[in-house]
Amino acid sequence: SQKIEQNSEALNIQEGKTATLTCNYTNYSPAYLQWYRQDPGRGPVFLLLIRENEKEKRKERLKVTFDTTLKQSLFHITASQPADSATYLCALFNAGNNRKLIWGLGTSLAVNP
Amino acid sequence: NAGVTQTPKFQVLKTGQSMTLQCAQDMNHEYMSWYRQDPGMGLRLIHYSVGAGITDQGEVPNGYNVSRSTTEDFPLRLLSAAPSQTSVYFCASSYPGTSGYTFGSGTRLTVV
Repeated sequence: SQKIEQNSEALNIQEGKTATLTCNYTNYSPAYLQWYRQDPGRGPVFLLLIRENEKEKRKERLKVTFDTTLKQSLFHITASQPADSATYLCALFNAGNNRKLIWGLGTSLAVNP
Repeated sequence: NAGVTQTPKFQVLKTGQSMTLQCAQDMNHEYMSWYRQDPGMGLRLIHYSVGAGITDQGEVPNGYNVSRSTTEDFPLRLLSAAPSQTSVYFCASSYPGTSGYTFGSGTRLTVV
């Protein structure tokens, strides 16, 4: 069956450290993958997009990698801050789907001061 | 620039009642969609539209109708509310291609 999985356990890290979140998928051929941030009671906010032919994408303290052989994307936040605490969602756009993103359930990140 | 505006923010309905959730965007996005988000289920696509006059079903369309008469507006209608439709509803829009989605702030709906 087709699945997209994110670590369901909350990630707790110390301020200043690098947070690494994982998104794994099976039985998809994603054309690209997106990462979003969601705060409680709010809608998701788009952060980064990485295409299947890209290995890495950066935006300020954020870095995303995409390994189509491992079927995995990693999302890194360097020099993390308490304000980075949120749930992070990955979503993939499967080749052949008509603009339908397939969403993971998200990983909750808590950055402790 | 307001982005995606959803109204109302909260709503309580009785079983069998109907209502319309409003969604408007001011970014001239062609693509608009409605999701529901439930604990443990993630975001599930209800209906979507690739442009004015064009709509299609998503993953969980039963019990919902949509229309897209203008680029800006994409209302979601609940025909006869059921407790299973208790959820948080999000409207999202984007440009064609590989751009990210812009989400509204959501409507929290409770059906009693």
